[in-house]
Amino acid sequence: RKEVEQDPGPFNVPEGATVAFNCTYSNSASQSFFWYRQDCRKEPKLLMSVYSSGNEDGRFTAQLNRASQYISLLIRDSKLSDSATYLCVVPWGGQNFVFGPGTRLSVLP
Amino acid sequence: DTEVTQTPKHLVMGMTNKKSLKCEQHMGHRAMYWYKQKAKKPPELMFVYSYEKLSINESVPSRFSPECPNSSLLNLHLHALQPEDSALYLCASSQENRDNSPLHFGNGTRLTVT
Repeated sequence: RKEVEQDPGPFNVPEGATVAFNCTYSNSASQSFFWYRQDCRKEPKLLMSVYSSGNEDGRFTAQLNRASQYISLLIRDSKLSDSATYLCVVPWGGQNFVFGPGTRLSVLP
Repeated sequence: DTEVTQTPKHLVMGMTNKKSLKCEQHMGHRAMYWYKQKAKKPPELMFVYSYEKLSINESVPSRFSPECPNSSLLNLHLHALQPEDSALYLCASSQENRDNSPLHFGNGTRLTVT
């Protein structure tokens, strides 16, 4: 069974806060992982790719723990514009991409 | 700016209509996808084309008919849809046979079936 699970949320945080989401996956063979953000009524947009132990891009840091089969996404100094749903996506072999249910973030003024 | 373009952005159709959704990408990707997304749910895979051949059909009803005329184009033909088919339809592409290649989504077609 393909399973990707995420923190259920929603997360409501004040501007400037640091927030972290977790994603767990059941396929130990998966080698790469992706975080997407999706704004209401828009398409998912690639936020970060994770291929090794982690990745950092400005205020965003993704970390991979292969032994425990989870990926985390850390957002520092949250902005109002970070409010969105964050989707964890795991390739499952071939053209199969398994989506987590998403974690909704609201950054409050 | 998205490199995968979808038309139309919005579509309202009756249950007896026939319409088509269109998707185009010029990134040289050889895998193209149709996803359906309902509100507050993640995208749900419908079809995958690999090198212009249908490789995955996730048991989608026959009222949805995909077509891949060439490596850059992907269509979804709609006929006799039901109101519950109303959703955001997303096209995506990726490089073939590379697990480290992410999906690139178009901006979607919001479909309403009346």
